[in-house]
Amino acid sequence: GAGVSQSPRYKVAKRGQDVALRCDPISGHVSLFWYQQALGQGPEFLTYFQNEAQLDKSGLPSDRFFAERPEGSVSTLKIQRTQQEDSAVYLCASSLVGAEYLDIQYFGAGTRLSVL
Amino acid sequence: QKEVEQNSGPLSVPEGAIASLNCTYSDRVSQSFFWYRQYSGKSPELIMSIYSNGDKEDGRFTAQLNKASQYVSLLIRDSQPSDSATYLCAVRDFYNQGGKLIFGQGTELSVKP
Repeated sequence: GAGVSQSPRYKVAKRGQDVALRCDPISGHVSLFWYQQALGQGPEFLTYFQNEAQLDKSGLPSDRFFAERPEGSVSTLKIQRTQQEDSAVYLCASSLVGAEYLDIQYFGAGTRLSVL
Repeated sequence: QKEVEQNSGPLSVPEGAIASLNCTYSDRVSQSFFWYRQYSGKSPELIMSIYSNGDKEDGRFTAQLNKASQYVSLLIRDSQPSDSATYLCAVRDFYNQGGKLIFGQGTELSVKP
């Protein structure tokens, strides 16, 4: 079926604005991850969902970041009162199971957020 | 702090040569290792996964894992200009409930015609 879909692909926000980034995982995938990728760096973990349960949010950089997956499918990453340091590509990944060591994470194309 | 280290490059090789990409990791108990390829502005795409010591081959790609040395590498034979991309080494966090990936910073590979 279709891969991981993210929208919007690009988002420009003025400092202080709130933004919402959407991720539509591969159908049937239980696990969903959000990563942040700064320019020239590898992705860094933000948060993890198993179905609708957010089981790990240890990577969220501040309380301005909030993620949800209310029905265990589509997820939204919300950033309140954006700051310039929030400028990055936000990647979503999904996997069939999650914790099993053979499990593979499939990535979406990401949302490039620029905060002016 | 669990770490994954890669040379950022750029690594430049002529077309047809072997490209060798290297990665070291800090957590001895890690069991799952991945190489992703990322073209500029695109999503990371899985190239290889490896879980056991030794070599794993898939077409022109060979992943090598040495858990004792905490070292994983990717060899690309007969490199093509289309292989030019950033290659991300990732290690699954063994202790993490969901199995989050810890990435290196990526190695930029340039294959010159």
